[in-house]
Amino acid sequence: GENVEQHPSTLSVQEGDSAVIKCTYSDSASNYFPWYKQELGKRPQLIIDIRSNVGEKKDQRIAVTLNKTAKHFSLHITETQPEDSAVYFCAASGKDSSYKLIFGSGTRLLVRP
Amino acid sequence: SQTIHQWPATLVQPVGSPLSLECTVEGTSNPNLYWYRQAAGRGLQLLFYSVGIGQISSEVPQNLSASRPQDRQFILSSKKLLLSDSGFYLCAWGRDRGTATEAFFGQGTRLTVV
Repeated sequence: GENVEQHPSTLSVQEGDSAVIKCTYSDSASNYFPWYKQELGKRPQLIIDIRSNVGEKKDQRIAVTLNKTAKHFSLHITETQPEDSAVYFCAASGKDSSYKLIFGSGTRLLVRP
Repeated sequence: SQTIHQWPATLVQPVGSPLSLECTVEGTSNPNLYWYRQAAGRGLQLLFYSVGIGQISSEVPQNLSASRPQDRQFILSSKKLLLSDSGFYLCAWGRDRGTATEAFFGQGTRLTVV
């Protein structure tokens, strides 16, 4: 089955700097890669996603890149703000896994004011 | 619009007691349904996955079971809770479109087994 690895587990950046979180997946048949943000004590919420027919997607200060050959994808947050502080999860899904979403272990991002 | 309800929000149960967590989805039909568990400071572990009534995929051997008695109802159960069952349990749904889609999470149930 699919296995998703996520790095780093914690990330501390200065406000205004960029943050990058990286994930790798094992199933070459996976074709959907969402990113979720979870604030303390709350439910995870989708912030951006990408499908395997696209190499990059951007939404204001966040972007996701996908390298299918290497089976890895990354989340980029530019001009970080204190409210970006949260836990971020990547996930992967595809037909071979019956479209189940398999999550990475999460990255705790701290943006220092 | 679609909504997902999960209850209770918090639960404290003694070791050896039974468990029943319920999740319902409104505003859609034939959703894919998930139960995830999140241990303190950890990732989202997929416990059960369902693509239809009575169709349950168990992802991790454990002390828990799941049932889907109706199209939009998903129940997580245990006959006898263990201390290791403590965690944040999240129900989620996804659209059945014959392709991978995002999952929408319920508010979660924080379970403490004492």
